[in-house]
Amino acid sequence: DAKTTQPPSMDCAEGRAANLPCNHSTISGNEYVYWYRQIHSQGPQYIIHGLKNNETNEMASLIITEDRKSSTLILPHATLRDTAVYYCIVRVAGSGSARQLTFGSGTQLTVLP
Amino acid sequence: GAVVSQHPSRVICKSGTSVKIECRSLDFQATTMFWYRQFPKKSLMLMATSNEGSKATYEQGVEKDKFLINHASLTLSTLTVTSAHPEDSSFYICSAHDSNYGYTFGSGTRLTVV
Repeated sequence: DAKTTQPPSMDCAEGRAANLPCNHSTISGNEYVYWYRQIHSQGPQYIIHGLKNNETNEMASLIITEDRKSSTLILPHATLRDTAVYYCIVRVAGSGSARQLTFGSGTQLTVLP
Repeated sequence: GAVVSQHPSRVICKSGTSVKIECRSLDFQATTMFWYRQFPKKSLMLMATSNEGSKATYEQGVEKDKFLINHASLTLSTLTVTSAHPEDSSFYICSAHDSNYGYTFGSGTRLTVV
């Protein structure tokens, strides 16, 4: 799985958009970008994933650059409950693919009132 | 959506005793489950991969005789920390994989060994 680089921490004002960057310059053509988050003392929670097109769901939007070497997770209207560590993970997907998810150090997002 | 139930959420035990942590997939069958350990302010570290009906695969540096993993059914995997010591105090998290739902995580178990 390709290595990812994320800033260790970010702050965001409540109600504003939180933009979390991730660098994955060695990503392969068949590797997806996944985002998970971990609220303090809980298990990780899936947010979104994508291959090359931008994706949006009820939680967030994922913007992947055209060369796929970086991506940005966008929380459009951050709330205090979005304070968590956000992990960007790159790996191959597909049915029957049951290898582990490898977590980096992630970004601690703190949403400020 | 997929739900993974992990129990207990917190446990305190004495040094030298054993503790069992259960991980159940409630609405799907998981042929593969993963066990992670997380120390304060650190990321999740994979301990072992558990496949139903076969022996678990342990990561380098994880003692298989100390961290016993059983995956006897498609919905239940257990991690037993044997002869626990204070350095085993940590946050243990399980994850279950399904081809439809992907990876779903339990809520974690905070183990404190005194």
